[in-house]
Amino acid sequence: ETGVTQTPRHLVMGMTNKKSLKCEQHLGHNAMYWYKQSAKKPLELMFVYSLEERVENNSVPSRFSPECPNSSHLFLHLHTLQPEDSALYLCASSQGGGSYNEQFFGPGTRLTVL
Amino acid sequence: QKEVEQNSGPLSVPEGAIASLNCTYSDRGSQSFFWYRQYSGKSPELIMSIYSNGDKEDGRFTAQLNKASQYVSLLIRDSQPSDSATYLCAVRSSYTLGGATNKLIFGTGTLLAVQP
Repeated sequence: ETGVTQTPRHLVMGMTNKKSLKCEQHLGHNAMYWYKQSAKKPLELMFVYSLEERVENNSVPSRFSPECPNSSHLFLHLHTLQPEDSALYLCASSQGGGSYNEQFFGPGTRLTVL
Repeated sequence: QKEVEQNSGPLSVPEGAIASLNCTYSDRGSQSFFWYRQYSGKSPELIMSIYSNGDKEDGRFTAQLNKASQYVSLLIRDSQPSDSATYLCAVRSSYTLGGATNKLIFGTGTLLAVQP
């Protein structure tokens, strides 16, 4: 595997379900990000982890819960979501601490909440 | 005022022409700027980064930066139908998070349509 991978690629869930999104980066980076992308809106930064420590929690509802067990893996745990949470969820990684912060994205998980 | 502004388009250009995509930003302290290409249904792909005033060329792509005017642009020469995508401008925030990490602020993107 190369780059940033995400699973699953597509997810349909009911409002009472609990599911998790997984992200893995193979780039040796030390910062990882969760973004939400909805139609006609800019990418919304949700969470940032640097060196496995959460450094940004962008006023995201508590029904989204991130977890970063190590610098290569990132999870987003979902529970009691709402239909408006349907979106493309993107994971990205970068070499944090440098001047340039080039971020590389995974393929995303298309989430549909019924 | 939006932090990063782009014209949503669509910008329609004929095949072989130069496509010019523009972006303005509000954070005067920003030092790093990026262009991402996003095909429909896919994730953003980094195509250019620029850090200094002036032009930076990479193949058919040229990024231009003017920090005094808070303006960054992307030129695509010899546009091809395969260049049809949404182009996202991203600006590295001057505000430093923990771990010396900075976040990127994205525009809403410009949809480019290259007509054969």
